[in-house]
Amino acid sequence: DIQMTQSPSSLSASVGDRVTITCRASQGISNYLAWYQQKPGKVPKLLIYAASTLQSGVPSRFSGSGSGTDFTLTISSLQPEDVATYYCQKYNSAPPFTFGPGTKVDIK
Amino acid sequence: EVQLVESGGVVVQPGGSLRLSCAASGFTFDDYAMHWVRQAPGKGLEWVSLISWDGGSTYYADSVKGRFTISRDNSKNSLYLQMNSLRAEDTALYYCAKDSLVEAAAAPDYWGQGTLVTVSS
Repeated sequence: DIQMTQSPSSLSASVGDRVTITCRASQGISNYLAWYQQKPGKVPKLLIYAASTLQSGVPSRFSGSGSGTDFTLTISSLQPEDVATYYCQKYNSAPPFTFGPGTKVDIK
Repeated sequence: EVQLVESGGVVVQPGGSLRLSCAASGFTFDDYAMHWVRQAPGKGLEWVSLISWDGGSTYYADSVKGRFTISRDNSKNSLYLQMNSLRAEDTALYYCAKDSLVEAAAAPDYWGQGTLVTVSS
């Protein structure tokens, strides 16, 4: 099975900072990669699918890029409401649709 | 408005069985594959299972294969997860989630609030 890793596992940044989270697949998955945001005590929310397509209603400060094995989620200007754990998920070909271990983002 | 409401989570002894249900509304249920995803207390998300829009194909994580069975009743807009031979490590909040693509299998876009399963003696 394809394994997903994320780095860093946590980060602390200031409001307005540019934040980048990396997700890596152990094998190529084309662009079959989604990003989720989970705020404390809340349900996960789909942010990005197909590696770079923003889900409807998601602020434009979020963006995704990558293909194959290496992907990034970027928050162009971190806001207080972005405090959350972010997960990547692969969904190419057949399941399992594995999630990455998550990256916890908080405000410095 | 898409709504997914899970039920059936309880405290169960190791080795026991449980059936989770998910009632769906606000979308054409039989157009979409459905997922179960779980989250152990304080841990990350773990994809558990997927069923195709017509129920003809099912998939499982290795950690539950042979113990869990996913099913659906499109006439009742309902999704189920039969959980047998439960272990302490199955303790988690179980989410029902709708797939994002019609008649395909991709990333889930809507999630329920979850139902808590606790496996403990």
